[in-house]
Amino acid sequence: SAVISQKPSRDICQRGTSLTIQCQVDSQVTMMFWYRQQPGQSLTLIATANQGSEATYESGFVIDKFPISRPNLTFSTLTVSNMSPEDSSIYLCSVGPGGTGELFFGEGSRLTVL
Amino acid sequence: SQQGEEDPQALSIQEGENATMNCSYKTSINNLQWYRQNSGRGLVHLILIRSNEREKHSGRLRVTLDTSKKSSSLLITASRAADTASYFCATVPTQGGSEKLVFGKGTKLTVNP
Repeated sequence: SAVISQKPSRDICQRGTSLTIQCQVDSQVTMMFWYRQQPGQSLTLIATANQGSEATYESGFVIDKFPISRPNLTFSTLTVSNMSPEDSSIYLCSVGPGGTGELFFGEGSRLTVL
Repeated sequence: SQQGEEDPQALSIQEGENATMNCSYKTSINNLQWYRQNSGRGLVHLILIRSNEREKHSGRLRVTLDTSKKSSSLLITASRAADTASYFCATVPTQGGSEKLVFGKGTKLTVNP
């Protein structure tokens, strides 16, 4: 299992600004996953963050908009850049330390862009 | 792209009743998982069923998998008000990384006391 802490838990931001979300895991993991959940919707994978290499982005998501850092095996950040109201979502960090595909999630960061 | 489609989208039942949620998917999978999400919170893993398994139990949860129909069901027996949440199925496609989950749209379950 894994315990994941995400910060901030929620924030209200102005259009055009950027926000960085932090994700801290209580154990070392190879891959960390960032998901977006738009209001009333399911989860969509943004990118996979590997330590020591560039993040791998899914179709529809680009590094300029969602830069990711992965400085070590227990920490990652996701930045939402130049925000617009369409970016209002819950952003979730997750890890799968067991290798079975089972994921453990942080509590999420609820972002509202005005 | 989303793999799973749950139905119903929303389900409202009385405490003590059973709740059944269904999930269909499109491609071949390594395993299928069910997650629960309390309102606006993180997801909690409930149960994983492998592609070579047909049924699995965990407490009040029963999951079935029919790979020929590409479908799964989650049954919650003797539901409680605390079971009120959204339930998502997620698949691990045969292609791609073993930890790359694809989530369905979810079923919002309300259990009335």
